[in-house]
Amino acid sequence: GGIITQTPKFLIGQEGQKLTLKCQQNFNHDTMYWYRQDSGKGLRLIYYSITENDLQKGDLSEGYDASREKKSSFSLTVTSAQKNEMAVFLCASSWGIEQYFGPGTRLTVL
Amino acid sequence: GEQVEQLPSILRVQEGSSASINCSYEDSASNYFPWYKQEPGENPKLIIDIRSNMERKQIQELIVLLDKKAKRFSLHITDTQPGDSAMYFCAAPTGANTGKLTFGHGTILRVHP
Repeated sequence: GGIITQTPKFLIGQEGQKLTLKCQQNFNHDTMYWYRQDSGKGLRLIYYSITENDLQKGDLSEGYDASREKKSSFSLTVTSAQKNEMAVFLCASSWGIEQYFGPGTRLTVL
Repeated sequence: GEQVEQLPSILRVQEGSSASINCSYEDSASNYFPWYKQEPGENPKLIIDIRSNMERKQIQELIVLLDKKAKRFSLHITDTQPGDSAMYFCAAPTGANTGKLTFGHGTILRVHP
């Protein structure tokens, strides 16, 4: 089996700050995803990537950038953190359609 | 794109009883329907899925039913236990062969002793 790791686990930022979240997977999966989950709510797709250096926008891409530096890693940047923003950012990967999720990064903006 | 509606948003049941969560989708071409369980502070975990060539699938106490004609699928948990308390998400593919999933908004299941 494989594993997906996300760093950091907790991220505290200031309003207007640029923040970067990282995700690594050793499943050797082609496709990777970034989702945002707000408290008690569903998952909204921010960006996904079907292969190294590919980038596709999801439903919530505004305010974010992403980069697929290599097959095993996918990073997400919050371009300007919004005050009082609190959410969990979940990374996932898949080969085919079965998606597996990382443990998440919890973002709090002061 | 695909829209997935999930109901109820909150479900409270007594231990030992059954719990049912229902989802509907719009794209008749959708062919894969996973269910995820997310415990507090944890990541969503795939617990069962069904493909469009099946109408029913069971893994231990989990049963998934698919009605392609009505574009509905459902998760049934029989003999619920307190450990089944969690958030449950259904999902359906977004577009053909994209690998993307559209998720329902989730159901919070609380199993009371």
